[in-house]
Amino acid sequence: KAGVTQTPRYLIKTRGQQVTLSCSPISGHRSVSWYQQTPGQGLQFLFEYFSETQRNKGNFPGRFSGRQFSNSRSEMNVSTLELGDSALYLCASSLGAVSSYEQYFGPGTRLTVT
Amino acid sequence: ILNVEQSPQSLHVQEGDSTNFTCSFPSSNFYALHWYRWETAKSPEALFVMTLNGDEKKKGRISATLNTKEGYSYLYIKGSQPEDSATYLCALAPNTGNQFYFGTGTSLTVIP
Repeated sequence: KAGVTQTPRYLIKTRGQQVTLSCSPISGHRSVSWYQQTPGQGLQFLFEYFSETQRNKGNFPGRFSGRQFSNSRSEMNVSTLELGDSALYLCASSLGAVSSYEQYFGPGTRLTVT
Repeated sequence: ILNVEQSPQSLHVQEGDSTNFTCSFPSSNFYALHWYRWETAKSPEALFVMTLNGDEKKKGRISATLNTKEGYSYLYIKGSQPEDSATYLCALAPNTGNQFYFGTGTSLTVIP
């Protein structure tokens, strides 16, 4: 069974631009969560989508948004990029929206903002 | 924001040594705890999902225990091997939803 895929794997953007990252979950998984990791910080929860609905949202500014499509693929968008948005962005998928299910992570997208 | 702490921050052990690390969390905010292994240049890999006080899980040489009343979980590795070198993360879910609070991890290096 194919794992979670994320595209692109690496991205360089300029401050002020916007960016869209994509995550394709494991087949049959309906929950997709997004995390940000910056140097020295643990993984910070961004948001979770289940059946095209955002169910949970972390403590990030409104510049961070996401959506989920009917095939469970998810995108996250960051507008008006700031230098501090440089990070590794991971997505994770799970069968259901309950935290007792295992989460499976993708390889991440490394975003560099210059 | 919930504070999930992991200790030690890093650990160097000799091949064959057994080791353990700790994940601490607020005992009043618990629904599930996940452990992950994260090797460099790879995706975090799920090790255990723990939900009940007193849970003990085992996978090969790795095992974990959970004490929700006092707010901690231990991860044990018996007879460490170089391939166990990785960062071990714990993540707390305070309710049924998939919003997890991660610790900063314990970086394990096993020296051959």
